[in-house]
Amino acid sequence: GENVEQHPSTLSVQEGDSAVIKCTYSDSASNYFPWYKQELGKGPQLIIDIRSNVGEKKDQRIAVTLNKTAKHFSLHITETQPEDSAVYFCAPRGGGATNKLIFGTGTLLAVQP
Amino acid sequence: DVKVTQSSRYLVKRTGEKVFLECVQDMDHENMFWYRQDPGLGLRLIYFSYDVKMKEKGDIPEGYSVSREKKERFSLILESASTNQTSMYLCASSPPGRLYNEQFFGPGTRLTVL
Repeated sequence: GENVEQHPSTLSVQEGDSAVIKCTYSDSASNYFPWYKQELGKGPQLIIDIRSNVGEKKDQRIAVTLNKTAKHFSLHITETQPEDSAVYFCAPRGGGATNKLIFGTGTLLAVQP
Repeated sequence: DVKVTQSSRYLVKRTGEKVFLECVQDMDHENMFWYRQDPGLGLRLIYFSYDVKMKEKGDIPEGYSVSREKKERFSLILESASTNQTSMYLCASSPPGRLYNEQFFGPGTRLTVL
């Protein structure tokens, strides 16, 4: 099955700095690469996603980049704010005919004011 | 706005009890999922369902069963709760179709088995 690794497990940055979280996966048939954000006391929520035919996607301060050859994709957050503090999960969709996401182990991002 | 609700935020049960976790979504989604979340392990899929009365095993189905009698409701059942089932349980739903679909999560149920 798909093996997903996410790094780092914790990340502390100063407000205004950038943060990068990397996700590697093993299934070369994976074709959909979302990132979810989980705030304290809430369920995860999709913040950005990318499909396998695109190399980069931006949405205001967040971006996702995909390297299919190397089988990794990354979440980039610029100009971090305290409200960005949360746990972030990558969840590549495995190959095959299901809507099954394989979640990474999560990255706890702390933005220090 | 999609809303996924779970019957309890916190639940405490005793070993051997039968436990029901209920999930309801209000957006007519066909797909529903049950995950458990443990520190350092991320979210792991227990069971999912693509339609009423339909279910498929996820990655860790042992010790669990599910029921989908109505489209909007997906129940997770612990037949005989054990302490290693102490965890956060998350329900999710997604629109029809199987590709590139956002999953919408409920707030979770933190279950403690004593």
